[in-house]
Amino acid sequence: EAQVTQNPRYLITVTGKKLTVTCSQNMNHEYMSWYRQDPGLGLRQIYYSMNVEVTDKGDVPEGYKVSRKEKRNFPLILESPSPNQTSLYFCASSLSRNRYNEQFFGPGTRLTVL
Amino acid sequence: GNSVTQMEGPVTLSEEAFLTINCTYTATGYPSLFWYVQYPGEGLQLLLKATKADDKGSNKGFEATYRKETTSFHLEKGSVQVSDSAVYFCALSATLRPSGGSNYKLTFGKGTLLTVNP
Repeated sequence: EAQVTQNPRYLITVTGKKLTVTCSQNMNHEYMSWYRQDPGLGLRQIYYSMNVEVTDKGDVPEGYKVSRKEKRNFPLILESPSPNQTSLYFCASSLSRNRYNEQFFGPGTRLTVL
Repeated sequence: GNSVTQMEGPVTLSEEAFLTINCTYTATGYPSLFWYVQYPGEGLQLLLKATKADDKGSNKGFEATYRKETTSFHLEKGSVQVSDSAVYFCALSATLRPSGGSNYKLTFGKGTLLTVNP
C-alpha cells in the first residue's frame, strides 16, 4: 500500500531533550516536506527536500533540523525542544516538485513539550 | 507572497443540506488549487484539485471550479452526509514557471470544521 508513515504518533517530552520524528514514504517520491498544524493558523511548512541531500527552509524553520540521506526517509529533528514547538506535525511527499502533483500526507505526530 | 483565505467555521448542517465553503487566494506565478480533507484523528488527504483557470475538480460529490477572474475556488456539495464531517482545507501551490519551481509548497487556509447532523 502506498503510504507515508510517521513515528511516533504521540510524544510527550520535556524542554531541551533532543528528539527525532521519523518520516518514510514507499512511493519513490522526490519531494518531501514537513508541516506543523496549529489551531487558527492552519498548516505551515517547516522544511522541504527536493531530492536526496537537497533540503531547504520553509516558513517556520527555527528550532528544527532535517536530513535526507535516502530518498524514502526525511526525519525531523528537534535539538532542544521548547514548549512553543508543541504542535501537530505532518510529513508529506510528492512525486516531484511539479505543481500539478498532489502531496500525500502521513497520519501526523502530536508532540507535547513540557 | 501566496495566501489563502477560507470561510471561518465551524459550519453545522443537517444531512442532505447544500454545502458551500468559500475560498479565495492570492498567488504569484502559476497556481494549482486543492481541497484537502482531514477526518478526525487522521492526516490530510486530497479531495480534489484544479490546475488551470476554469478547471473543475470533483470527487465524492464535491466540486470546485478554479475562477481566475475572482481568484476563488469555492467547495460545494449538493447533499452532505454525516460521514462528510471533517475539517476542509483550501490550498494552493504556485511556481514561477508553468511546470515546476524551486519549492512548490502548499499554502493552506486555516481550515473549516464541518459537522453534519443526522
